[in-house]
Amino acid sequence: QKEVEQNSGPLSVPEGAIASLNCTYSDRVSQSFFWYRQYSGKSPELIMSIYSNGDKEDGRFTAQLNKASQYVSLLIRDSQPSDSATYLCAPFGAAGNKLTFGGGTRVLVKP
Amino acid sequence: KAGVTQTPRYLIKTRGQQVTLSCSPISGHRSVSWYQQTPGQGLQFLFEYFSETQRNKGNFPGRFSGRQFSNSRSEMNVSTLELGDSALYLCASSLVTGQNTEAFFGQGTRLTVV
Repeated sequence: QKEVEQNSGPLSVPEGAIASLNCTYSDRVSQSFFWYRQYSGKSPELIMSIYSNGDKEDGRFTAQLNKASQYVSLLIRDSQPSDSATYLCAPFGAAGNKLTFGGGTRVLVKP
Repeated sequence: KAGVTQTPRYLIKTRGQQVTLSCSPISGHRSVSWYQQTPGQGLQFLFEYFSETQRNKGNFPGRFSGRQFSNSRSEMNVSTLELGDSALYLCASSLVTGQNTEAFFGQGTRLTVV
């Protein structure tokens, strides 16, 4: 089992719709979770961080965390073509004391 | 506020050579982590430095090494380059080390080994 699992996609969504990305992780003691966006040929950009169970909203992004289920998700509301990118889930693993990245979900927003 | 700066942006090296990559973190940040990104393996952790000390190391051979200076700038070195070392090398800067610390990436160094 991979430490961090994400559906590789592509997740195709029409412009204006909600994109829903999921991530599961194996390290039960992870306390902090991060979502990065990476455009093709560019470096990852931090877009969300979440530390407590529940929802956290920032603009069009909402992160949801359920530590009991070892599950974290990212919702992108009112998706725009500029949201087309790969989204990387990264729990901070207490065991390894490092960020561990999933393989990423590629999102395609079609006008 | 300046972001994370990595130099050089692109490198082409020959098998067997060695290479040194540089990373200047965000001003005031004391932790620098290095990652290798390849299409097949994704983002893999190399090592982390905090206050000039290596805090953590990933599963890479000893050919990969690094160091951090008193001004928090960091370098990583790869000796005896192999074709499989071709990758995007990313450094991430954090204020401190450990949980609940956001990490910000530089633009990366694209290394091609021929």
